[in-house]
Amino acid sequence: GAVVSQHPSWVICKSGTSVKIECRSLDFQATTMFWYRQFPKQSLMLMATSNEGSKATYEQGVEKDKFLINHASLTLSTLTVTSAHPEDSSFYICSARRSDTQNTEAFFGQGTRLTVV
Amino acid sequence: QKEVEQNSGPLSVPEGAIASLNCTYSDRGSQSFFWYRQYSGKSPELIMFIYSNGDKEDGRFTAQLNKASQYVSLLIRDSQPSDSATYLCAVDSGYALNFGKGTSLLVTP
Repeated sequence: GAVVSQHPSWVICKSGTSVKIECRSLDFQATTMFWYRQFPKQSLMLMATSNEGSKATYEQGVEKDKFLINHASLTLSTLTVTSAHPEDSSFYICSARRSDTQNTEAFFGQGTRLTVV
Repeated sequence: QKEVEQNSGPLSVPEGAIASLNCTYSDRGSQSFFWYRQYSGKSPELIMFIYSNGDKEDGRFTAQLNKASQYVSLLIRDSQPSDSATYLCAVDSGYALNFGKGTSLLVTP
């Protein structure tokens, strides 16, 4: 199956700093990637849709100035959590779907466990 | 708001039994449905997908879809302790997948 690589797998940062998370599709092109957040014992909540070459689409309630998304190429999307606070501590997961076929499954990165202290 | 509903469980079944996981969805126009398994602290991994009404079998797993009832289920035959995980139902929204909260399955030896 297709591979989506996410880095880092975990990060601890101080409150007020910024953290960048990378998501790469390794063996297919993804014009669209998705960023989810998952709190303990909760479901995956879609934060935003990352579109190659254009602005990301954010879900209601997600601050676009806090969660900066850049999709500069067909294989790379980045999520930057700016001015992180303890309440931003969560499991962040990216996913991508092949853009050359329809109705395909989403492939997930390994996830990034963010802890803000 | 497009809803995907699952019973959170935990669902406990003995080893060797059949585990039945259920999911309902609100968007009648949905066409694609997915079952993912997620172990604690890990990303979801795809188990099966189903597009057509009826049953689809893959090894010990059977997905069942009833679009008229807006209902999709996953059966796990001969359940093993290694099947203990959270099972997420996902419905295609047209671009992203909408996930249910997941059902926690515990298979006891």
